[in-house]
Amino acid sequence: GENVEQHPSTLSVQEGDSAVIKCTYSDSASNYFPWYKQELGKGPQLIIDIRSNVGEKKDQRIAVTLNKTAKHFSLHITETQPEDSAVYFCAASKRAQKLVFGQGTRLTINP
Amino acid sequence: GAVVSQHPSWVICKSGTSVKIECRSLDFQATTMFWYRQFPKQSLMLMATSNEGSKATYEQGVEKDKFLINHASLTLSTLTVTSAHPEDSSFYICSAPRDTRTYEQYFGPGTRLTVT
Repeated sequence: GENVEQHPSTLSVQEGDSAVIKCTYSDSASNYFPWYKQELGKGPQLIIDIRSNVGEKKDQRIAVTLNKTAKHFSLHITETQPEDSAVYFCAASKRAQKLVFGQGTRLTINP
Repeated sequence: GAVVSQHPSWVICKSGTSVKIECRSLDFQATTMFWYRQFPKQSLMLMATSNEGSKATYEQGVEKDKFLINHASLTLSTLTVTSAHPEDSSFYICSAPRDTRTYEQYFGPGTRLTVT
């Protein structure tokens, strides 16, 4: 089955700097790669996603890149703000099927 | 976007009792729903796939007789933790895709279960 590895487990950056979180997956049949932000005591919130037919997607300060050949994808957050502090999870799945999550990254933005 | 709700948001029960958690899709019909469990400072682990009109599919290592799943209608799936023990204390989260043609899944807000 699918296995998703996520790094780093913790990340601390200065406000205004960029943050990058990386994930690798094992199942070449996976074709959907979402990123979730989870705040304490709440369910995951989708922040951006990418499908396997696209190499990059951007939404304001957030971007995701996908390298299908290497089976890895990354989340990029630019101009970080204190409210970006949270736990971020990557995941992989096939369409409408179960999501397999990475281990999570605790991002701390230092003012 | 689509909305998924869970009830209750938190529950405390005594060891040996059962507790039911509801997951509802509020503005779409969900033939499939997923149940995840999340321990503190850990990732989400899929427990089972809830299928409307058929039996749930459990992940390896998840006791189907302990975690009863019923997909009662196209908008409701329930997870019953039977004979709960302190080690079942966790954050339970459900999700549902809007339909089989889409990729995005919508997550509920989660239910915090504490077994004393």
